[in-house]
Amino acid sequence: AQKITQTQPGMFVQEKEAVTLDCTYDTSDQSYGLFWYKQPSSGEMIFLIYQGSYDEQNATEGRYSLNFQKARKSANLVISASQLGDSAMYFCAMREGPWNNFNKFYFGSGTKLNVKP
Amino acid sequence: GAVVSQHPSWVICKSGTSVKIECRSLDFQATTMFWYRQFPKQSLMLMATSNEGSKATYEQGVEKDKFLINHASLTLSTLTVTSAHPEDSSFYICSANSRGDNQPQHFGDGTRLSIL
Repeated sequence: AQKITQTQPGMFVQEKEAVTLDCTYDTSDQSYGLFWYKQPSSGEMIFLIYQGSYDEQNATEGRYSLNFQKARKSANLVISASQLGDSAMYFCAMREGPWNNFNKFYFGSGTKLNVKP
Repeated sequence: GAVVSQHPSWVICKSGTSVKIECRSLDFQATTMFWYRQFPKQSLMLMATSNEGSKATYEQGVEKDKFLINHASLTLSTLTVTSAHPEDSSFYICSANSRGDNQPQHFGDGTRLSIL
């Protein structure tokens, strides 16, 4: 089974509107971390936001927030007030277990976001 | 924040050439680094886990003799694509874990490899 599932290959959003990118995950561990990355066309992976499995509040970082629904195993990224520069690929990722040197990260297939002027 | 540097950014070379890509952690020690391959419009595919002072752990289906990994110090891992062919053309990107539950994997900027 896929560890991370992103069901939206592509999304369009109007500039200045909010958009939600979906992510569901699969793990039997109690301790895990969820991460979102942005990858512009230039290729670098930019870390956006983190949510720990024990965090009771949804994470927020500026215009990014994470809608964490633990029972549903979902960790959707919400981008408020979209900007043209938000156009990029977005990847959801998970680290299973507490941190150690050897943690693999599991990545979803990504969502291509296009922000329209 | 933690910085990972990857070099070179672009490589264009002839078929049969071996190509070395370097991945450095600039401000932290990385016992473990990861090498990924990414095809256009696809996700990152983990190729191998590079362990300082020991052999790399390769994912299923990745040829060890084709993709040689060396992690000789706590700040440097290298990936050598040996006798590269056009089908090896891809985007290669490395990452490293910094300490802490809330720490992401920190990525280099990637290397675009084109084999003619």
